[in-house]
Amino acid sequence: QSVLTQPPSASGTPGQRVTISCSGSSSNIGSAAVNWYQQLPGTAPKLLIHSNNQRPSGVPDRFSGSQSGTSASLAISGLQSEDEADYYCAAWDDSLNGYWVFGGGTKLTVL
Amino acid sequence: QVQLVQSGTEVKKPGASVKISCKASGYTFSSYYMHWVRQAPGQGLEWMGLINPSGGSTNYAQKFQGRVTMTRDTSTSTVYMELSSLRGEDTAVYYCARDRGPSPGTGLNWFDPWGQGTLVTVSS
Repeated sequence: QSVLTQPPSASGTPGQRVTISCSGSSSNIGSAAVNWYQQLPGTAPKLLIHSNNQRPSGVPDRFSGSQSGTSASLAISGLQSEDEADYYCAAWDDSLNGYWVFGGGTKLTVL
Repeated sequence: QVQLVQSGTEVKKPGASVKISCKASGYTFSSYYMHWVRQAPGQGLEWMGLINPSGGSTNYAQKFQGRVTMTRDTSTSTVYMELSSLRGEDTAVYYCARDRGPSPGTGLNWFDPWGQGTLVTVSS
C-alpha cells in the first residue's frame, strides 16, 4: 500500500494527451515538492520532472507537471510509442522522522 | 558524466546479510547525499534511507531500522548498503540514487541519477 495514490494504468493513442494523477496528504504533497520518474521496461528509474514542474535538460517539453493542494499530475502531450513505461510520483513526507514516499506507479500503454 | 555503478547480482539464503556497493564518478563525491531505494518484483519503489558521504551520517526509513547499515568509502567514492536478517520479502532490485536540490529533508530535493540496480534474491 503506497502512501501516494496513482492509477495503476493509463493509455492513449499516438499524438494524444494523457494525464496521470498522484494523490497524497498534508504531510507530503501538501508541504513538499513532487517529483516524477519514468521507468522504461527493464531499466532504472529516470528523473522526468522535479520540483512540481521543472524539466531536467534533455526531457522533451511534451512532459509537464503540476501540483495543487495535496495532489499532483503529470501530463504527456503528443504521445509517442517510446513513452510506454511506468511512471512514479514521489515526495518527502515530514511525518515520523521524515522519509521519502512514492506512488504505486502507473503503467502507461501506447495503443 | 555523472555515473553510479552498482555491484552485481546476489543470491542469499534467509537469515544472511547482503552488502551492495555503488561507485560514483563524474562529480565531487562528498558534496551530494546518496539514497537507497528498492523495488520488489512487479512492485513499486520503496525508500530505504540515505547517507551523507561527507561525514557518514545516515537517516534510515523506520521500516529498516536495525537491519540496514549504510556506509561510505571516500577514497574510492563508493557507498555501501548492507541489509541483514534477510527474508524472502527482501527479494528486490536495489538502487542507489544521488540526492539533488537545496538540502535533504526540506521537501525540495529529488533523485538524479540512479544506479543501474542490483538484484538480490533471497531463497533457501
